[in-house]
Amino acid sequence: KAGVTQTPRYLIKTRGQQVTLSCSPISGHRSVSWYQQTPGQGLQFLFEYFSETQRNKGNFPGRFSGRQFSNSRSEMNVSTLELGDSALYLCASSRSPGATNLYEQYFGPGTRLTVT
Amino acid sequence: GENVEQHPSTLSVQEGDSAVIKCTYSDSASNYFPWYKQELGKRPQLIIDIRSNVGEKKDQRIAVTLNKTAKHFSLHITETQPEDSAVYFCAALSYNTDKLIFGTGTRLQVFP
Repeated sequence: KAGVTQTPRYLIKTRGQQVTLSCSPISGHRSVSWYQQTPGQGLQFLFEYFSETQRNKGNFPGRFSGRQFSNSRSEMNVSTLELGDSALYLCASSRSPGATNLYEQYFGPGTRLTVT
Repeated sequence: GENVEQHPSTLSVQEGDSAVIKCTYSDSASNYFPWYKQELGKRPQLIIDIRSNVGEKKDQRIAVTLNKTAKHFSLHITETQPEDSAVYFCAALSYNTDKLIFGTGTRLQVFP
């Protein structure tokens, strides 16, 4: 079974631009979560989608948004990029959302975003 | 809010020794505790997890223990090997908020 995939793997953008990242979950997984990983802040939760609905949201500004499609693929968008948005963006999928005994989360390889 | 503290931040051991990483969580409603291993430049990999109705779980050389009263859980790696060198993250899932909160990571170095 194929793992979680993310595209693109690397991205360089300039301040003020916007970016869209894509995540394809493991087949059969309907929950997708996004995380920002930086050396200083570790793994920070952005949001979670299940059945095309945002179930949960972390403490990030409204410039960070996402969506999920009917095939469970998810995208996240960052508008008006800032230097501090440079990070590794990881998505993770699970068969179902948390608080169930089926919950196990598997990560994709990440998209490394550099903002100059 | 929810918080997970992880110690130590770095750990160096000799090959063959044991390594222990400890995490403490703040949300008493947490009920699922996974551990991830992240090698340099790679994705975090789920290596073991434990749910709140179990006190200990083992998988070959790794084990996780959970003390719900004290709100802490630990990862134990026995007979360490150089390929165990990586950053290890603990996490706790709150039943109330459904958020998976990660610890800050432990960089484990195993010297041959």
